[in-house]
Amino acid sequence: DQQVKQNSPSLSVQEGRISILNCDYTNSMFDYFLWYKKYPAEGPTFLISISSIKDKNEDGRFTVFLNKSAKHLSLHIVPSQPGDSAVYFCAASRPYTDKLIFGTGTRLQVFP
Amino acid sequence: NAGVMQNPRHLVRRRGQEARLRCSPMKGHSHVYWYRQLPEEGLKFMVYLQKENIIDESGMPKERFSAEFPKEGPSILRIQQVVRGDSAAYFCATNTQTHTEAFFGQGTRLTVV
Repeated sequence: DQQVKQNSPSLSVQEGRISILNCDYTNSMFDYFLWYKKYPAEGPTFLISISSIKDKNEDGRFTVFLNKSAKHLSLHIVPSQPGDSAVYFCAASRPYTDKLIFGTGTRLQVFP
Repeated sequence: NAGVMQNPRHLVRRRGQEARLRCSPMKGHSHVYWYRQLPEEGLKFMVYLQKENIIDESGMPKERFSAEFPKEGPSILRIQQVVRGDSAAYFCATNTQTHTEAFFGQGTRLTVV
């Protein structure tokens, strides 16, 4: 049972435009959500997180939106840069634990 | 402040041998999480430990796998009698308390031949 889903395995965006990565979840008990970026042969790098008490969190070029009623979150990257090309994972956890449930990832390619 | 250190980065074992993977948390981090990533898949939770205690091992296979986080030294993920299906990237992540950013190590890539 895949509790966290990233339905787009890949996304291609032109440099300077907005990248929107989507994530859906099924478990209404999740209360903390994170986005990680991963390059090949490296560990995931934390990007941004959001608690379920908020619907938006912003950090520089990265903004995460949470729609609890739809059980959906998205990561917006604007403007996109070639260095953003990587695999992006969303992850979620329940209260009192940081056992993260990961999606399967979306490979973002930013081209010039 | 050194990041999360995992070693070895690459490990090759023959079927039936033992694999020991080590994870040294960031300074001040007392929570350790182990994840496994199979090819073309996302990361799957294996086990959550605090110093000298296993808090949640719901993702650990019932046999051959064990983990520890002793009072002194790194956390160890131990796989006995490895099989080809154990070939994967194993990552650990650490943080200071619940619902704070968890930092990942570079991973150990285990290949069973």
